[in-house]
Amino acid sequence: QKEVEQDPGPLSVPEGAIVSLNCTYSNSAFQYFMWYRQYSRKGPELLMYTYSSGNKEDGRFTAQVDKSSKYISLFIRDSQPSDSATYLCAMRKTSYDKVIFGPGTSLSVIP
Amino acid sequence: DAGVTQSPTHLIKTRGQQVTLRCSPISGHKSVSWYQQVLGQGPQFIFQYYEKEERGRGNFPDRFSARQFPNYSSELNVNALLLGDSALYLCASSVLGQGQNEQFFGPGTRLTVL
Repeated sequence: QKEVEQDPGPLSVPEGAIVSLNCTYSNSAFQYFMWYRQYSRKGPELLMYTYSSGNKEDGRFTAQVDKSSKYISLFIRDSQPSDSATYLCAMRKTSYDKVIFGPGTSLSVIP
Repeated sequence: DAGVTQSPTHLIKTRGQQVTLRCSPISGHKSVSWYQQVLGQGPQFIFQYYEKEERGRGNFPDRFSARQFPNYSSELNVNALLLGDSALYLCASSVLGQGQNEQFFGPGTRLTVL
């Protein structure tokens, strides 16, 4: 079993839809959770960074962490074609530790 | 402010050759990490350096080595290249020592081994 699992997609939605992206993990020691967006042939861009369980909102993006279920989510409201990218969930045990990434979910937002 | 920069952008090598990749972190960031991203997969951790000291090493063979310089820039070296080393090599910098230490990535170096 991989440490971090993520549905690879591809996921295709119409413009304006609410998008839900999810990851599960196996190691209960993870405390810091991140979502990165990666456009084709570019480096990952940090979208959200959260500590422990709970919700965090930033504009159209909301990150949720449920440590009891070992499950994290990223919601994108009013999705735009410019949101079309691969979304990587990532996590680490401490703020100094290496970052473990999921395989990424490919998202296409159709105008 | 300039972000993380990496050079070269693209590189083509043949099996058995050696390669050096370079990274300059964001100004004020003292930690650099290296990741390998194979097509269709998430980045895999290779090394972390902080204040010129190795702070972490991933599950990669000894053909992979790195170092960090006094100005906090870093080099990743890969010897005896294999076809399977073809990937996007990403450098990430962070402040480390303060706060949550978010990592910010550079654009990557795309290495092709023929």
